[in-house]
Amino acid sequence: DQQVKQNSPSLSVQEGRISILNCDYTNSMFDYFLWYKKYPAEGPTFLISISSIKDKNEDGRFTVFLNKSAKHLSLHIVPSQPGDSAVYFCAASGSGANNLFFGTGTRLTVIP
Amino acid sequence: DTGVSQDPRHKITKRGQNVTFRCDPISEHNRLYWYRQTLGQGPEFLTYFQNEAQLEKSRLLSDRFSAERPKGSFSTLEIQRTEQGDSAMYLCASNPIVGRYVPLHFGNGTRLTVT
Repeated sequence: DQQVKQNSPSLSVQEGRISILNCDYTNSMFDYFLWYKKYPAEGPTFLISISSIKDKNEDGRFTVFLNKSAKHLSLHIVPSQPGDSAVYFCAASGSGANNLFFGTGTRLTVIP
Repeated sequence: DTGVSQDPRHKITKRGQNVTFRCDPISEHNRLYWYRQTLGQGPEFLTYFQNEAQLEKSRLLSDRFSAERPKGSFSTLEIQRTEQGDSAMYLCASNPIVGRYVPLHFGNGTRLTVT
């Protein structure tokens, strides 16, 4: 039972353009959402998060949007850089819970 | 802040053997988590400690798995009688008790291969 879904296994974009990574969730109790970036042979690195009281959070080139009614969030990277090439995981947790539910990841390739 | 440290980075073992992994969290972090990641999947929660108390365990954590955090600092994860299905990346993470919305910081994992 995959409660967090990333339906695009891969995405390729040109350097300088926008990358948009999408994530859907099914559990309406989730109230905290995070994006992690993972390079090969390393653990996931925290990128950006958003709580359910907001619909947007921005940190430099990275913006996360949350649409609670659609149970959908997205990560925008502008402008994309070759160093952004990695696997991106969406994760969520519910009120009172201490564990994260992860999606299956999207591999982003930024082409120079 | 040296980050979350895991040892060993790689472990190859034969089916039926026992293995133990160690995790050293970020020093001021009270909470410690174990996750497992298999190929093509995201990390899956195994168990969680607050200080030395193991407060939550996933049903993924079969009787062959045991985790400890004896003094509320480092943690060990032991797998007894390993099976080929145990082959995965085992990730440790930690975060401090400073509120509800605090991200987890992950180590680089221990990759287990059971032959």
